[in-house]
Amino acid sequence: DAKTTQPTSMDCAEGRAANLPCNHSTISGNEYVYWYRQIHSQGPQYIIHGLKNNETNEMASLIITEDRKSSTLILPHATLRDTAVYYCIVRASESNYQLIWGAGTKLIIKP
Amino acid sequence: GAGVSQSPSNKVTEKGKDVELRCDPISGHTALYWYRQSLGQGLEFLIYFQGNSAPDKSGLPSDRFSAERTGGSVSTLTIQRTQQEDSAVYLCASSLGRGRYQPQHFGDGTRLSIL
Repeated sequence: DAKTTQPTSMDCAEGRAANLPCNHSTISGNEYVYWYRQIHSQGPQYIIHGLKNNETNEMASLIITEDRKSSTLILPHATLRDTAVYYCIVRASESNYQLIWGAGTKLIIKP
Repeated sequence: GAGVSQSPSNKVTEKGKDVELRCDPISGHTALYWYRQSLGQGLEFLIYFQGNSAPDKSGLPSDRFSAERTGGSVSTLTIQRTQQEDSAVYLCASSLGRGRYQPQHFGDGTRLSIL
């Protein structure tokens, strides 16, 4: 199963774009990249997912490199409520639909 | 619409007691997952239900852990003879179907503390 690597923590100023990187160099051709976030004392919240094309929804944008070995989650105008742990996850192989969770990136939005 | 609902939100019990944790998935979601999360850690998969198929129990850490899903909706996770290492947040998620492209939607979890 593909593994992801993320920075342990990041800071971002309120109102600026937050760019969270993720490396997944062993990703398979048919595996999707998912992003979730977890605000303190709450369950994880789905943000976005993608395969190879860039994706955008009301919460964020996902940029996946052409070789699919890395991706970046972009929060275009970060607010204090975006402070959370952000998890980049590669969906496990066909025979294993579990999500494999790493330690994530602690994103702190500063006023 | 209503999200995934878990109860109780907090549970404190003595070592050796049995506990039951409940999960109400989103209506219409046929897939249901249980995870647990220890302090400061990522999520650890426990068990997966999909429709009427046999559940995938490969993540259950010991035979003290069991789960059932009645009527394809509500699920109960049972821990027998609890130990202190069982202390964690137990999270339930549901998704539309078993397709790996379907995002999972989580409840806020049950915080279990074993004294």
